[in-house]
Formats: sequence, structure tokens, C-alpha cells
Amino acid sequence: ILNVEQSPQSLHVQEGDSTNFTCSFPSSNFYALHWYRWETAKSPEALFVMTLNGDEKKKGQISATLNTKEGYSYLYIKGSQPEDSATYLCAFDNAGNMLTFGGGTRLMVKP
Amino acid sequence: EPEVTQTPSHQVTQMGQEVILRCVPISNHLYFYWYRQILGQKVEFLVSFYNNEISEKSEIFDDQFSVERPDGSNFTLKIRSTKLEDSAMYFCASSEEGRGNSPLHFGNGTRLTVT
Repeated sequence: ILNVEQSPQSLHVQEGDSTNFTCSFPSSNFYALHWYRWETAKSPEALFVMTLNGDEKKKGQISATLNTKEGYSYLYIKGSQPEDSATYLCAFDNAGNMLTFGGGTRLMVKP
Repeated sequence: EPEVTQTPSHQVTQMGQEVILRCVPISNHLYFYWYRQILGQKVEFLVSFYNNEISEKSEIFDDQFSVERPDGSNFTLKIRSTKLEDSAMYFCASSEEGRGNSPLHFGNGTRLTVT
């Protein structure tokens, strides 16, 4: 059983704060690491697919880094807005046609 | 923007009954998946499907589960004899490429309640 863990489980920040959270995954048999944003009552929406150690990807005010040797990825949100409130999921792919998901970080941004 | 659609949004069934969950993946995608999330737990992989056959399945996907692509557009998940522990949100997803190369596009899910 693959262990993918995310921390913290939940996070409350004020509008304008920058924040980050962590995804840890097995460092062996790495193929790809996915990040998804999941708003309540909607479907998970892909943010990033990262495959190379040292990768850094950016989408607007959200960015992610990847360290495959030590088995972690960080997701950063610069200047959080209320509309960034969502659950952020990471998912690990070990070269199969399946993703193993973490438990998610639930972000709440207060105006 | 094309999207994955799932029906119904909510299905209530009695234990032992058969249910079919339906999905229409994005039309030019070749890889299809079912995942589920039991309330309070992680999203779990059930099955992946490519070229009209199952490419991978998890331990959850036992003989009670089956998938089918009956025509060029629908992708279905059947549970033959539902159990209480099958109650979950079931998500269909599709992707252009397999093996984690491309992101998954998820539907809004079907909430299955087994009573």
C-alpha cells in the first residue's frame, strides 16, 4: 500500500496571506505527481502534473515544487483570495495507470 | 470547454440491488477511470480502462464490479449486488494519455447511498 500524506489537514488564512502545504510520497518508483483543486460541489480540477525532480510549475498565484529524491512536493499560494478556498489534493503515480491520493488540505480564506 | 459528465448525481439503492453509474468522458480522450471517496476517507482508485479493456484495477474492484464502454461515448460502472460499504461518491475521469503523463478530468460524481 502506497502512503501519500498531506499536511496540514486544514488551514484557515486571511485574505492576502500567502500559504503553503506539503505532500509526501514514496521516493521509489516515482513517475509523476499531480495536484488538484477541489471546490465543494464541483469536480476536482487539475492544477499541475510534475514529473522531473526539481520541477517548479506556476499557474497564476499558485506554484508547486517537486523533490522526488526525498519524496515531497510543496504547493504555494501567494496572496490568497476567498475564491482560493478549496481542498487541494495531491496524487502519486508510480508508473501504473492509477493515482494514489493524499487526504487533501482544506484551505479556507477569510475575507 | 469539454467536460466529463456523470449521471445520476445521486442514487439511492437497497442492499443487494444492482446499480449502474454512467459517465460520458471527453470525446478525444482514450483513458478512462473510476475512483471513489467514502465519506471522510481518501479518494481511492477502482479501475482504469483503455482500448476496450481494463488496464489496471485495485483490490476494491472485485467480482461485484464491472465496467463497460457499450458505445462510442458512454463508460459505465456496474455494481452487481450492492453492500452498505459501497456507499460513497463515485467519480469518473478521463485523460488524453495514460501513465500519469496527462491530468485527469473528473466528472462531478455520483453519490451512491446503499440502505
